[in-house]
Amino acid sequence: KNQVEQSPQSLIILEGKNCTLQCNYTVSPFSNLRWYKQDTGRGPVSLTIMTFSENTKSNGRYTATLDADTKQSSLHITASQLSDSASYICVVNHHAGNNRKLIWGLGTSLAVNP
Amino acid sequence: NAGVTQTPKFRVLKTGQSMTLLCAQDMNHEYMYWYRQDPGMGLRLIHYSVGEGTTAKGEVPDGYNVSRLKKQNFLLGLESAAPSQTSVYFCATIDSGPQYEQYFGPGTRLTVT
Repeated sequence: KNQVEQSPQSLIILEGKNCTLQCNYTVSPFSNLRWYKQDTGRGPVSLTIMTFSENTKSNGRYTATLDADTKQSSLHITASQLSDSASYICVVNHHAGNNRKLIWGLGTSLAVNP
Repeated sequence: NAGVTQTPKFRVLKTGQSMTLLCAQDMNHEYMYWYRQDPGMGLRLIHYSVGEGTTAKGEVPDGYNVSRLKKQNFLLGLESAAPSQTSVYFCATIDSGPQYEQYFGPGTRLTVT
């Protein structure tokens, strides 16, 4: 079954600290893996998109890694800011023939405290 | 550019009432989607459209209908609302680039009592 699992479910860190969020997936075949940030009461916003051949991609203080062999991805946030408080969602693009389907994780809820 | 907009932002319905959610985009994207987001569940696809005049069912289409009469608009209809349809609804578009970047609207929070 195609699934995306994220851990931890929630995380609290102090401002300025780093953190790493995990995503494990069983989706196959897949064409790309995405990380989204969703602020409370807003729609998701794309942070990174990686194809199966990419190992890492950065967007400012956000760095995503992908290991297609172990089917794991991580999102590392450096020098966290209060505005990083949000839900971070891992999404895998299931691509089989002409069919594309996005498989959504449940997200990690991150709270950055002063 | 406004990107993706949704109308209304909030709505409360009584069971059995009907309503239409409007999604509008000014990015000239062919693909448009309607999702619902519920606590403890990932986004679930309701219906989608791959172009003007076309619609297709997603994962959870029951109780909803859609129309794409104009490329820039994608309407989601509830003919007879039920409490199980209480949710936050997101519209999204996808561009035609190689990575299929997805853009979301701000959401509509619907409560059915």
